[in-house]
Amino acid sequence: EVQLVEFGGGLTQPGESLRLSCAASGFSVSDNYMNWIRQAPGKGLEWVSILYSAGSTYYTDSVKGRFTISRDNSKNTVYLQMTRLRAEDTAVYYCARGGNWFDSWGQGTPVTVSS
Amino acid sequence: DIVMTQFPDSLAVSLGERATINCKSSQSVLYRSDNKNYLAWYQQKPGQPPKLLIYWASTRESGVPDRFSGSGSGTDFTLTISALQAEDVAVYYCQQYYSTIPYTFGQGTKVE
Repeated sequence: EVQLVEFGGGLTQPGESLRLSCAASGFSVSDNYMNWIRQAPGKGLEWVSILYSAGSTYYTDSVKGRFTISRDNSKNTVYLQMTRLRAEDTAVYYCARGGNWFDSWGQGTPVTVSS
Repeated sequence: DIVMTQFPDSLAVSLGERATINCKSSQSVLYRSDNKNYLAWYQQKPGQPPKLLIYWASTRESGVPDRFSGSGSGTDFTLTISALQAEDVAVYYCQQYYSTIPYTFGQGTKVE
């Protein structure tokens, strides 16, 4: 069974850093396209970043230069390193699999950026 | 970026009645080389992550009830719930993957 479990979210201050983790089971993250998608409180879905199976990475403009997606194949885990956090980064962050549509999602981990 | 616009923002439907949600893209998501529409639909219930319902605009994901159907082409798409069940109360999102960076979603339609 495919499963994604995110953790690492929490309350942090503007300008600080946070690393999110997404532990996968039932498939290999190295063989799949993996994404981070976020949802601000009461808002819609916003795609944040993708890591291709070949290793390429892409980001939405608002996080370029601040967020980094990576993976550890030995742990079958995908990460999102978030730096210079802003209030507008406050959201539930979901890990999702897919290169076109997103067929599997984790339960999400909440990130709150506030002073 | 391709902008996805859904309408209505919300709709109230009686149990057993039909629900129709519309999604319009700012440019065509029909890829001429394979004649496929690069559009997906998701369902999100309160406190849960989104769930994939439909891809290629009209292909149901495995396990999705056949009361859910997708249609449309080019820039105009529709998600139809043929006979609303209580468990279908949710927010529904369309998403384009024609232009993948960035992938973009509609703002959501709340069905109640």
